[in-house]
Amino acid sequence: KQEVTQIPAALSVPEGENLVLNCSFTDSAIYNLQWFRQDPGKGLTSLLLIQSSQREQTSGRLNASLDKSSGRSTLYIAASQPGDSATYLCAVRPGYSGGGADGLTFGKGTHLIIQP
Amino acid sequence: EPEVTQTPSHQVTQMGQEVILRCVPISNHLYFYWYRQILGQKVEFLVSFYNNEISEKSEIFDDQFSVERPDGSNFTLKIRSTKLEDSAMYFCANRVDRVSTEAFFGQGTRLTVV
Repeated sequence: KQEVTQIPAALSVPEGENLVLNCSFTDSAIYNLQWFRQDPGKGLTSLLLIQSSQREQTSGRLNASLDKSSGRSTLYIAASQPGDSATYLCAVRPGYSGGGADGLTFGKGTHLIIQP
Repeated sequence: EPEVTQTPSHQVTQMGQEVILRCVPISNHLYFYWYRQILGQKVEFLVSFYNNEISEKSEIFDDQFSVERPDGSNFTLKIRSTKLEDSAMYFCANRVDRVSTEAFFGQGTRLTVV
């Protein structure tokens, strides 16, 4: 069964720093990996989607990489701002059927605080 | 960004009562999902739905849960007899296809069972 782990669980840094959030998954058989942002008590906002055949995706100050064979992804945030404060979730779409694999498997998230 | 709309945003219900959570999906996004997030825990897949039938369900989605598209547009999750442990945030999600495209999530319904 696929398991997704995110490290660190929480991170607090001063504004302006570049930072890296980590995501690992136990089964490399995935279709894709998606990063989300979740604000307190709110829904999930999609940030980036990386297909299993891709190595990275970029959107503005965000860059996500994927190393499928080692079961790892990183989300790089450049020049962090207080508005980036949120919980960042990583989720994989398993590359097989059955056992609930039709849905995304989520990590618990990294709670990020950017200090002004 | 395309928007999935969920109602209500918050519902309080007594244990044993039935609740219906509603979702208005994105036009032309034909794959529908329900997830839940118990406070402080991971987001968990409940069920996927396509072509007016369940595609797949997780072990959480037992007989007390059901889903349907009652009018061909809205997508609903019914919990027949709520339990205290059903208290959670419930998210509706939507995507164009089953595998390769982004999943878009609604803002969620916070269900509190008392």
